[in-house]
Amino acid sequence: GNSVTQMEGPVTLSEEAFLTINCTYTATGYPSLFWYVQYPGEGLQLLLKATKADDKGSNKGFEATYRKETTSFHLEKGSVQVSDSAVYFCALSASAGGTSYGKLTFGQGTILTVHP
Amino acid sequence: KAGVTQTPRYLIKTRGQQVTLSCSPISGHRSVSWYQQTPGQGLQFLFEYFSETQRNKGNFPGRFSGRQFSNSRSEMNVSTLELGDSALYLCASSPHSGGSTDTQYFGPGTRLTVL
Repeated sequence: GNSVTQMEGPVTLSEEAFLTINCTYTATGYPSLFWYVQYPGEGLQLLLKATKADDKGSNKGFEATYRKETTSFHLEKGSVQVSDSAVYFCALSASAGGTSYGKLTFGQGTILTVHP
Repeated sequence: KAGVTQTPRYLIKTRGQQVTLSCSPISGHRSVSWYQQTPGQGLQFLFEYFSETQRNKGNFPGRFSGRQFSNSRSEMNVSTLELGDSALYLCASSPHSGGSTDTQYFGPGTRLTVL
C-alpha cells in the first residue's frame, strides 16, 4: 500500500537557521504530494503541494521538489523564524479512483521548534 | 469564504456512549473527508463522502459511520465509545471531485475525550 516516511523529530533550530525535513514515499502510479502544517490547538493548513514529477511547490519561503527518481519531497526553508514552530506533515494522494478518493496518507509528523 | 467549521470543538463522553460530530465544508465544496489524529497512530483516514455517497472508507470498525447531506454538510457517528477513541477528529473539504490533485482544506477539529 501507499506510505509516507518523514525524518525523525523533534527538530530544534535557532532563528535564521536552514531547515530541511526529509520525506520519502511509496506509491503506485503518480501521486500528488503535499506538506501541511499544524499549529498548537488548530487543524492542518496546506503549506505547499506538487502534482507531478519535477514540480516545485513553494509558499512563505518554504520549498519542496517532487523527485520521482528518489521518491522524495523534502521540505526546505533558508531562514526559519520563531513563528515557524509547529508540526509539519508530509502527505500523498494516490492516483484518482477506487480506494483513493478523498484519502490523504500522512507521514508521522515532525515537530519543529525554533528558538530566538 | 468561511473555512471548514466543525462542531462541537470539545466533547467529553464515557465508555459505551455514542457521539455525533458535525462538519460544514467550505461553500461550494462537495467532497468531505474525515480523519482521526492520535499521538500513537498519527493521522488516519476514516471515510470520504461526495454527493451524499460514501466513496471510500479507511480501516476502522463498523462503530464508525458517517453521512453527508444534500448541502454537503457531513456528520460522523461513533457508537459504543471506547477509551481508544479519544482523539482529535478532523474534517476536510475539497472543491472538486476529491481527486488526487485536489487540495483538502481542514477544519479545526473536534477533540473527543472518552472517560
